[in-house]
Amino acid sequence: DAGVIQSPRHEVTEMGQEVTLRCKPISGHDYLFWYRQTMMRGLELLIYFNNNVPIDDSGMPEDRFSAKMPNASFSTLKIQPSEPRDSAVYFCASSGGVKNIQYFGAGTRLSVL
Amino acid sequence: KQEVTQIPAALSVPEGENLVLNCSFTDSAIYNLQWFRQDPGKGLTSLLLIQSSQREQTSGRLNASLDKSSGRSTLYIAASQPGDSATYLCAVWLGGSGAGSYQLTFGKGTKLSVIP
Repeated sequence: DAGVIQSPRHEVTEMGQEVTLRCKPISGHDYLFWYRQTMMRGLELLIYFNNNVPIDDSGMPEDRFSAKMPNASFSTLKIQPSEPRDSAVYFCASSGGVKNIQYFGAGTRLSVL
Repeated sequence: KQEVTQIPAALSVPEGENLVLNCSFTDSAIYNLQWFRQDPGKGLTSLLLIQSSQREQTSGRLNASLDKSSGRSTLYIAASQPGDSATYLCAVWLGGSGAGSYQLTFGKGTKLSVIP
């Protein structure tokens, strides 16, 4: 398996624009996680899914953030409208269960100007 | 709210030295604890996962221990190598059984530099 695949690797956008980040989990994994990493706040869990259903989105910072998982092989994290403070590295991870090891993608570095 | 602390924030050691990284957490009712390494500009790589019922896990030169009662975990690295240079993070899951919601909290990490 190619591992967790995220796209794009880098995204530069202007304030107010819509941003969509994409993730393909490892085949067979039933948990998918979205994280944000900044120097100030470290790594934060935003939301996670089990069998394509959102389980806990309490980490999503604002209503501007939304995440979907239409099927077992694809998830999106959308920010609309984007703001400079959203600049961060966003990671997606998947696992074969909450008790199991998480595998991370390479991340998307987002810069909002 | 669970808080996870990693001390020190940075550590520099000469090659070949054995070292210990520390992770402490405030809520002992954890589900599991996981150690990761992160290389600059890269994602996280899982190193060891310790379930709440376990005391330690070993993988090669790495050994992680868990003491829930004291709220502490340590990652022991034997015979350190320059390739071990990275940031090491611990993450703690709080939660219940079944389909309940879980909370995951990461520490800020310890940046390790192994000097040749």
